[in-house]
Amino acid sequence: NAGVTQTPKFRILKIGQSMTLQCTQDMNHNYMYWYRQDPGMGLKLIYYSVGAGITDKGEVPNGYNVSRSTTEDFPLRLELAAPSQTSVYFCASSLRDGSSYNEQFFGPGTRLTVL
Amino acid sequence: GESVGLHLPTLSVQEGDNSIINCAYSNSASDYFIWYKQESGKGPQFIIDIRSNMDKRQGQRVTVLLNKTVKHLSLQIAATQPGDSAVYFCAEGLGGSYIPTFGRGTSLIVHP
Repeated sequence: NAGVTQTPKFRILKIGQSMTLQCTQDMNHNYMYWYRQDPGMGLKLIYYSVGAGITDKGEVPNGYNVSRSTTEDFPLRLELAAPSQTSVYFCASSLRDGSSYNEQFFGPGTRLTVL
Repeated sequence: GESVGLHLPTLSVQEGDNSIINCAYSNSASDYFIWYKQESGKGPQFIIDIRSNMDKRQGQRVTVLLNKTVKHLSLQIAATQPGDSAVYFCAEGLGGSYIPTFGRGTSLIVHP
């Protein structure tokens, strides 16, 4: 299994541009997540999905949108990019199988700079 | 020793020493806790977890201790190696939510 893959690895955007960060997992996980990580900080949840067709906001959803049309894919859309969105973005997935804890598997991240 | 400043708290140790990384969690109702390791330029990676009905759990070279009275979690790494150099995050969650909350992280630096 490739696990969680993210593209692109790096991207520079100009203020006001839009882009989509791609995330794919091949583990048949039902839960998927998008986080951002600012320098020296922890992970902040942007959006998450508990299954295909279902998405919900996390802690910092403003300026982002997501969709989950398939189990495997969970793209993150940035509309009208702003310098405050400069960050490293991590996608993660996990399997809810009735166990009480939640091991998340993370992708390698996308480093985004907005100038 | 451990220092806290504007940036990530940092723990510097010598190779072969034991390391103890601490985490204060916020929600007394949290019933599971996870430690993640994040190497430079990579995504976080699961290390070990513990449920709230336990106060200690051991893995390979790692031990997690949970003190619910003071809402404190620690990760002990035995015989620390240069490859252990990374940022370590604790996360807490409620069993029904599957949406863990991450702490700020501690940077572990291992000197050869």
